[in-house]
Formats: sequence, C-alpha cells, structure tokens
Amino acid sequence: RKEVEQDPGPFNVPEGATVAFNCTYSNSASQSFFWYRQDCRKEPKLLMSVYSSGNEDGRFTAQLNRASQYISLLIRDSKLSDSATYLCVGSFSGGYNKLIFGAGTRLAVHP
Amino acid sequence: GAVVSQHPSWVICKSGTSVKIECRSLDFQATTMFWYRQFPKQSLMLMATSNEGSKATYEQGVEKDKFLINHASLTLSTLTVTSAHPEDSSFYICSAQGLAGGPRQETQYFGPGTRLLVL
Repeated sequence: RKEVEQDPGPFNVPEGATVAFNCTYSNSASQSFFWYRQDCRKEPKLLMSVYSSGNEDGRFTAQLNRASQYISLLIRDSKLSDSATYLCVGSFSGGYNKLIFGAGTRLAVHP
Repeated sequence: GAVVSQHPSWVICKSGTSVKIECRSLDFQATTMFWYRQFPKQSLMLMATSNEGSKATYEQGVEKDKFLINHASLTLSTLTVTSAHPEDSSFYICSAQGLAGGPRQETQYFGPGTRLLVL
C-alpha cells in the first residue's frame, strides 16, 4: 500500500466550479502535511500547509483529519490557471524533513 | 522565496556514460539537500538525502554505487549517474532545506529539475 494515496483524476471542470481533492495516508507518524502544485515538466511548488484546524488561502481551503488519516483540498471559483497536478505530501521529521509525495491529482479547468 | 538552481536543465547521453547534475542553493545555506526522481505520470520518489560533509543516506532500492552524491559545501550538492542506461532516463529534482535554527529550516525549496535521456 502506498504511503500517500490520491485519486489520479483527471478532474475536468468548467471555470468557476468548485472542486475537491482527497488524499489518505497510511503512516500515522506523519507529522506535517502539504499540498504542492506541479505544472507539466516543472518542479513542484508549495501551495499550502495543512492543519487539523483547517486553513484557507484565498480560494483554497485545506483540511486534515488525523483520526481518519485523510487530507483534503478545496478549490473554489476555479480559474484556467489552476490547471495542474496537485500533490498531497506528508512529512516525517527525523533530524530533517523527509517528504513523501502522492502521485498527484490532475486538474483541467476549461472555459 | 529561496532560490535553488540545477544544472544542466536537460541532458542527452549515450548508454554507458556518466552524468553529473549540480544542485545549488543560491541565496541561503542548506544543511540538507534531497534528490528525487520522477518518472512520467508517477510521484516524486526520494532517492537520497545528503548532509554537508557526510555520506548520503539512500532510500531502499536506490544503488549508492550507481547514484553518487557529494555534498561538499552548504550550497552545493551533486548527483552523478554512473554508467547511465535507458532505464535511468527520468526527471531528477533536488531540494534544499535551510540551516537548523534558521528561517528556512522547515521548508524544502525545489530546484527546476534536470531531464535525463539516455539513448
């Protein structure tokens, strides 16, 4: 079983739609979680950290449920520029932060 | 934000040759650098973790004699793919984490990646 699992998609949505991505993790020792965005043939870029209390950054809302080992990302009012692959990432701290990446969920926003 | 560079950005080589990829943190010192590999439509897989002045820690299944890592300074780590073969063709990405106690200690900053094609 993969340590971080995501639905690969693709999610094809019209501009303005709300879309939600889910992610589950198997290692309860995971300490921190993040959502990264990766554009085609580019490096991943940090989108936002994820906290148990839930956190919001503009149109993006992330949530962590440690009891269910479940992470979510909600994107409201989708823009064409949101089209990318969204990576769910867990972090294990052992002197340094080891990141475990999910395979990513592809989002395609169309006019 | 912090800047991490990689060189070269892409390389094509013949089977059997060795390829060196450099990863530099340009505006901060990095205690730890990470090397990842990503095959098409797959997730980034951590290959190894390198700490300045010490031997790299390799993930299970990654051959340390094939993927040589040197972290000679706080701003430079190199990955050498020795005797590269077509199956080594991939997207290699490094990341750098700032010094413990510093403002960048909790975050990994990614380089732009290096595309390797072995013919």
